[in-house]
Amino acid sequence: GAGVSQSPSNKVTEKGKDVELRCDPISGHTALYWYRQSLGQGLEFLIYFQGNSAPDKSGLPSDRFSAERTGGSVSTLTIQRTQQEDSAVYLCASSTTGGEGYEQYFGPGTRLTVT
Amino acid sequence: AQSVTQLGSHVSVSEGALVLLRCNYSSSVPPYLFWYVQYPNQGLQLLLKYTSAATLVKGINGFEAEFKKSETSFHLTKPSAHMSDAAEYFCAVKQAGTALIFGKGTTLSVSS
Repeated sequence: GAGVSQSPSNKVTEKGKDVELRCDPISGHTALYWYRQSLGQGLEFLIYFQGNSAPDKSGLPSDRFSAERTGGSVSTLTIQRTQQEDSAVYLCASSTTGGEGYEQYFGPGTRLTVT
Repeated sequence: AQSVTQLGSHVSVSEGALVLLRCNYSSSVPPYLFWYVQYPNQGLQLLLKYTSAATLVKGINGFEAEFKKSETSFHLTKPSAHMSDAAEYFCAVKQAGTALIFGKGTTLSVSS
């Protein structure tokens, strides 16, 4: 079946602009996660959705970052007033449930470059 | 809080040699542990996971890992490296009700 998809695959934006990153999880997966991967910081957790609710958003680095999930499916990560330090690969993952033993399936990522 | 430490940011082996990638975890409760692989410009792919059913876990592509509670380790091994194994490998621990906590990653290079 179809895996996790993300769009766009690459995004170049100017400092100060807003960007939206999209994630389509595997159908039927109730848990959805956003991570950020950068050279200096490795893989960092951003936010976790169970259904349309976000019980853990502790990884969002600032109030410029927000995310929503609608219909228990598609999620959008929005970064407002982008800064150069936001440049990274943003990875989305989904899982059957949020339980500990369930593996997460990752999308290919969106590479964000802020100039 | 749970955490993961991967010893060695880069490991180089010859084709056919043993691969050993080290991972130690810190957890106050029985952990759920994972190894993921990332090929260049791709997302992460699950290699194997430990969920307390068996201490020796076999994964894809000939990889396996052994959970050792006394050593708080979950090292990844493969008896014979292939050129196609060159990639970045991440060890991770799953926190209850939330996300994976990843180690910093180990880049594996395989030479002919």
